[in-house]
Amino acid sequence: GNSVTQMEGPVTLSEEAFLTINCTYTATGYPSLFWYVQYPGEGLQLLLKATKADDKGSNKGFEATYRKETTSFHLEKGSVQVSDSAVYFCALSDQGGSYIPTFGRGTSLIVHP
Amino acid sequence: SAVISQKPSRDICQRGTSLTIQCQVDSQVTMMFWYRQQPGQSLTLIATANQGSEATYESGFVIDKFPISRPNLTFSTLTVSNMSPEDSSIYLCSVVGGVSDSTDTQYFGPGTRLTVL
Repeated sequence: GNSVTQMEGPVTLSEEAFLTINCTYTATGYPSLFWYVQYPGEGLQLLLKATKADDKGSNKGFEATYRKETTSFHLEKGSVQVSDSAVYFCALSDQGGSYIPTFGRGTSLIVHP
Repeated sequence: SAVISQKPSRDICQRGTSLTIQCQVDSQVTMMFWYRQQPGQSLTLIATANQGSEATYESGFVIDKFPISRPNLTFSTLTVSNMSPEDSSIYLCSVVGGVSDSTDTQYFGPGTRLTVL
């Protein structure tokens, strides 16, 4: 079956540091890949997505590249801000199936001033 | 993208009572789902809300405990019945398949934070 593995958190960084949150997946076929963000006290928001190999999703300074050869979709940002503090979820959706995503466990990011 | 609202946003309930959570979408959508997110955990899918028919429940969730309605393509309710403290969670409504969006992008409501005493 499908699965998503994210790095354990929390990830603690100083403002303006470089961020990487690792995500690897297992899937049959060619899934779409997503990053969602959950700010404190809120629901999940779609941050970015990629639907095929070598696609790069980007939004709000975050980006992730769909790497089929390494089955990865790592999230990166060059300079984090305190306002980026949130929980980040990697997810995949089987395009040939029911479209119900498989979520990773989430990675908490804490950015200090 | 779809705009989703949920009511109530939070509630504190007594053991043994029931709470109904409403989910309203600003456009017609193909699929609606209910998730539970326990403190510090990832999302667990409870069920798929099917328009005009019984919901499809995931393993470990049953209709008697979590009855769901979906009378049309923009609205659904989830009831948490006979609550216990273990039901304390955030309950999230989500949708896939808006009129002008790809069918594999899922959008979430703001969640309902439930505390059972």
